[in-house]
Amino acid sequence: LAKTTQPISMDSYEGQEVNITCSHNNIATNDYITWYQQFPSQGPRFIIQGYKTKVTNEVASLFIPADRKSSTLSLPRVSLSDTAVYYCLVGLEGTGTASKLTFGTGTRLQVTL
Amino acid sequence: ETGVTQSPTHLIKTRGQQVTLRCSSQSGHNTVSWYQQALGQGPQFIFQYYREEENGRGNFPPRFSGLQFPNYSSELNVNALELDDSALYLCASSLGQGMTGELFFGEGSRLTVL
Repeated sequence: LAKTTQPISMDSYEGQEVNITCSHNNIATNDYITWYQQFPSQGPRFIIQGYKTKVTNEVASLFIPADRKSSTLSLPRVSLSDTAVYYCLVGLEGTGTASKLTFGTGTRLQVTL
Repeated sequence: ETGVTQSPTHLIKTRGQQVTLRCSSQSGHNTVSWYQQALGQGPQFIFQYYREEENGRGNFPPRFSGLQFPNYSSELNVNALELDDSALYLCASSLGQGMTGELFFGEGSRLTVL
């Protein structure tokens, strides 16, 4: 399973755009990239998933360059409630073959006024 | 549509005891995964069950075992508890065997081993 590397922490002011980059140099051809958000004492919550180029949903965008060795989660105009830990995961999607889904230590985002 | 529910939410055990944690998957989901999350760490994959059979396992010893029932609910059993087993245990449900895609997590069971 591709190992991921993310910054340990980031700080932002409310209303700014936040970009969190994840490195996954050993990503395999069939691997998808998925981001989760976790608040204290809660289970992680799915944010977005992509394979290549750009994916956008109502809460975030995911940018994946052509070589797929990294990805960037973009959170537009963050608010205090976006303070959480963000995890980047790389793994197989829908293949029917179990693989180990590994969360790293994540990026702790702190949003302040 | 009900979400993933876990019980108990908190429990305290002593070293050497056994514990059973329970999870009800989201309606319509046939796959359940269990994760262990130590304080300050990301969740670590324990195992996954699909249609009542284990179909993936992380680096956890055999004293971590599980079951999935016909209604797709699941149990995690841990025997011979050790101090390092103290953690938040998370259950996640999904549709299908794929290990990514959207996982729906419960709020976890916090186990303290004394």
